[in-house]
Amino acid sequence: QQQVKQSPQSLIVQKGGISIINCAYENTAFDYFPWYQQFPGKGPALLIAIRPDVSEKKEGRFTISFNKSAKQFSLHIMDSQPGDSATYFCAASRRDTDKLIFGTGTRLQVFP
Amino acid sequence: NAGVTQTPKFQVLKTGQSMTLQCAQDMNHNSMYWYRQDPGMGLRLIYYSASEGTTDKGEVPNGYNVSRLNKREFSLRLESAAPSQTSVYFCASSPTTGSELFFGEGSRLTVL
Repeated sequence: QQQVKQSPQSLIVQKGGISIINCAYENTAFDYFPWYQQFPGKGPALLIAIRPDVSEKKEGRFTISFNKSAKQFSLHIMDSQPGDSATYFCAASRRDTDKLIFGTGTRLQVFP
Repeated sequence: NAGVTQTPKFQVLKTGQSMTLQCAQDMNHNSMYWYRQDPGMGLRLIYYSASEGTTDKGEVPNGYNVSRLNKREFSLRLESAAPSQTSVYFCASSPTTGSELFFGEGSRLTVL
C-alpha cells in the first residue's frame, strides 16, 4: 500500500522554466512533509519541509504548496537550472514517530 | 566532520550468504534508520532506532535484523541473502523524532 504517491516519475524542463512535482498522501495523521533532493551516487538531503499549519513555504527558488483538504502537496522549482537536475522525493510522517514514508521519486532533468 | 559513514560501499554476495552493513554517525544524534532504495520504489524504511537500546520495524523488515550497538552505531544484518535483497542501502540519522534526516552515501549490494 503506497501511503505517499508521487508524480511524475520523470520530468524534463528547459533552463529557466518551472518544475512542478506533486504528492498525495492517505494518512490524515501525517503532519510533517519534507522534500529531499538526491544527486547520483549520493544520499538524499533535505531540501525544504512544511507543516500543515501553513499552506505555502518558500525558500529561494523552491516552494512547497500544501492543500490539507485534498491531502496533496507539491514542490515548485522556479527558474530551473541544470544544477537542479537530480531525483526529488517527497515524504510524510507524524511528528511523534520516526517513520518517515517516502514517495517513489521524480527524476528531474533541466536542459540548457 | 564525517556525518554518516557506511561500510562497505559495494558488496557482492551469493544467495544464502550472510553479511552485515555497518553505519556510524558522529553528530550525537538519537535516532538512526536503515532504508533501501530500488528503482521505481523510492526509499523504503527497513528498521529504525529512536534511541540507544531500542529498535522498531519499518515498512519492509523481513529478512533483516538490526543492532543499535551504541549511540553512534547501527548495523543491518542479512542472515541469508536473497536476490530480492539486491538494492542500495542507506543509513540515516536525525537529532530527534520527526526532524531532518542526514543520510550516508549508500551501500550497493548485489545478491547473485
